[in-house]
Amino acid sequence: GDSVTQMEGPVTLSEEAFLTINCTYTATGYPSLFWYVQYPGEGLQLLLKATKADDKGSNKGFEATYRKETTSFHLEKGSVQVSDSAVYFCALSNAGNNRKLIWGLGTSLAVNP
Amino acid sequence: DAGVIQSPRHEVTEMGQEVTLRCKPISGHNSLFWYRQTMMRGLELLIYFNNNVPIDDSGMPEDRFSAKMPNASFSTLKIQPSEPRDSAVYFCASSPAGTASNQPQHFGDGTRLSIL
Repeated sequence: GDSVTQMEGPVTLSEEAFLTINCTYTATGYPSLFWYVQYPGEGLQLLLKATKADDKGSNKGFEATYRKETTSFHLEKGSVQVSDSAVYFCALSNAGNNRKLIWGLGTSLAVNP
Repeated sequence: DAGVIQSPRHEVTEMGQEVTLRCKPISGHNSLFWYRQTMMRGLELLIYFNNNVPIDDSGMPEDRFSAKMPNASFSTLKIQPSEPRDSAVYFCASSPAGTASNQPQHFGDGTRLSIL
């Protein structure tokens, strides 16, 4: 079945460092791909999405490109801030799964001043 | 615009008691999801509804858990009897109608449940 694999955390960075969180997927067909972010004590929020190959999703300085050839959707940010400290989830949605999202396990990011 | 509204935000109760969690989805959304989040197991989908009809309840842990959606604007998740291992944060999410695979889910702030 469909699955999502994320790099394990926690990831600890200094402010202004470059961030990459790896996400790869296994799916039939042409899934849509998402990154969600969960700040402490809150629910998950959609960060960005891409619905077809080579699409780039972007929001708040974060970017991810849908790479069908490598089945990847890595999250990147050029310069992280302390306020980016959160847990990041990669997910996919496939027409065969109706509206159900397939989730990665989440990657915790801590950014130090 | 109002987001997904969950109540209560926190619940502490003794084992054996009935617990009812409530969710109001975003108006116009026709899919609703219940999740459980723990440190050990991460984010788990318990059940989801389309147009108020349960579509997949394979994630419901056992018969002590039940969920209903009597109308488009309200859903409940009930645990009876509750056990300490049910302690977790429970999230409700809703998703709009439209092309099935590209609609994001919108989450509530969750209910933090502690069973003593």
